[in-house]
Amino acid sequence: NAGVTQTPKFQVLKTGQSMTLQCAQDMNHEYMSWYRQDPGMGLRLIHYSVGAGITDQGEVPNGYNVSRSTTEDFPLRLLSAAPSQTSVYFCASRPPGNFEGGYTFGSGTRLTVV
Amino acid sequence: AQSVTQLDSHVSVSEGTPVLLRCNYSSSYSPSLFWYVQHPNKGLQLLLKYTSAATLVKGINGFEAEFKKSETSFHLTKPSAHMSDAAEYFCVVSDRVTSYGKLTFGQGTILTVHP
Repeated sequence: NAGVTQTPKFQVLKTGQSMTLQCAQDMNHEYMSWYRQDPGMGLRLIHYSVGAGITDQGEVPNGYNVSRSTTEDFPLRLLSAAPSQTSVYFCASRPPGNFEGGYTFGSGTRLTVV
Repeated sequence: AQSVTQLDSHVSVSEGTPVLLRCNYSSSYSPSLFWYVQHPNKGLQLLLKYTSAATLVKGINGFEAEFKKSETSFHLTKPSAHMSDAAEYFCVVSDRVTSYGKLTFGQGTILTVHP
């Protein structure tokens, strides 16, 4: 099925551990982005990419790394997890040039850092 | 720069009564505006969007919103609430010119519907 696929759906990490949140889309969307959702704060942009090989920081990039080697995949890496990174993470994508919406969101990854 | 303020963190209504969720925005240029809904433990679903066409926008499930440039508002309404409308709603702005279409979310409004 076409869409944005996020894995895993749930994850518990210990402080200091590393992990990668996976995001894949099969719609040939050039623009992909990662958001985190915290209670009372809406969704905040972490990193985004406008195409393979091009990434940039969003509003809250500290503690996260990204790379974009293919159009389909946009993984988010936590190098040394901290309790402040406990959150729900959403990946989103949209077609090229479509600035007026057309975003597709994944179903989210719920991460707990203990 | 762009920003969004949702004026109510919680709204409670009775089933069958009108719904009003308030949103004010700030944008340097002509914005695109959206309302998304998130049901508990679910992802985000687009309800409706304004992209400089008609100022009154109709969305799914009977929701609509009116873009008022003079008031910098984009309030979401529904004439008659249903139990299934209970969810969290996000007002979102995107500045096509300066932000390359990046989305900025409001803090969210939790809608509770009583029987």
